[in-house]
Amino acid sequence: EIVLTQSPDFQSVTPKEKVTITCRASQSIGSSLHWYQQKPDQSPKLLIKYASQSISGVPSRFSGSGSGTDFTLTINSLEAEDAATYYCHQSSSLPLTFGGGTKVEIK
Amino acid sequence: EVQLVESGGGLVKPGGSLRLSCAASGFTFSSYSMNWVRQAPGKGLEWVSSISSSSSYIYYADSVKGRFTISRDNAKNSLYLQMNSLRAEDTAVYYCARGDHPQPHSSLYDYWGQGTLVTVSS
Repeated sequence: EIVLTQSPDFQSVTPKEKVTITCRASQSIGSSLHWYQQKPDQSPKLLIKYASQSISGVPSRFSGSGSGTDFTLTINSLEAEDAATYYCHQSSSLPLTFGGGTKVEIK
Repeated sequence: EVQLVESGGGLVKPGGSLRLSCAASGFTFSSYSMNWVRQAPGKGLEWVSSISSSSSYIYYADSVKGRFTISRDNAKNSLYLQMNSLRAEDTAVYYCARGDHPQPHSSLYDYWGQGTLVTVSS
């Protein structure tokens, strides 16, 4: 099973600040890494696919990078509506697994 | 507009059974793999089970193998999860999620339902 380790677990950030979340895979997964945003009491929403591909309707301040085992989600100029928990997810091999999540709080 | 609406959750005693349903609309259901993902209270996301577009391929997490059965009815645009021998650790919100292509083993989840809560308690 591929283990995804996210860091940090929690981040408190002021508006307009840049946020960086990392996801490390226990073995190489190429670019089969996706990011989801889950706001309180909502279902997850796809944010970035295949490490760096943007999703229609997602603000351009969200971007992803990385390949192999190390991946990054970046939120440029954080807005209040970005308060959420962010999860990475690998689709390289079964069982498909998720990272533990990173909760982003707005100061 | 893609819509996924789960139903069938509720309170059940340990050892009991429950059947979840997911009604899909707004896309060609028979062309996509479908999945169940759960989230225990205050915890992260856990993949539960996946089924290919034609039901040819079915996969389960080890934690539910032998107890849960996934199925779909393409004529009714519906996905199901039959859950037997339920345990307290199965307590979670269960989400129905669409895979981005017919085969589930390499799919991302591009649309999610609102979830249905399953509580296993005596």
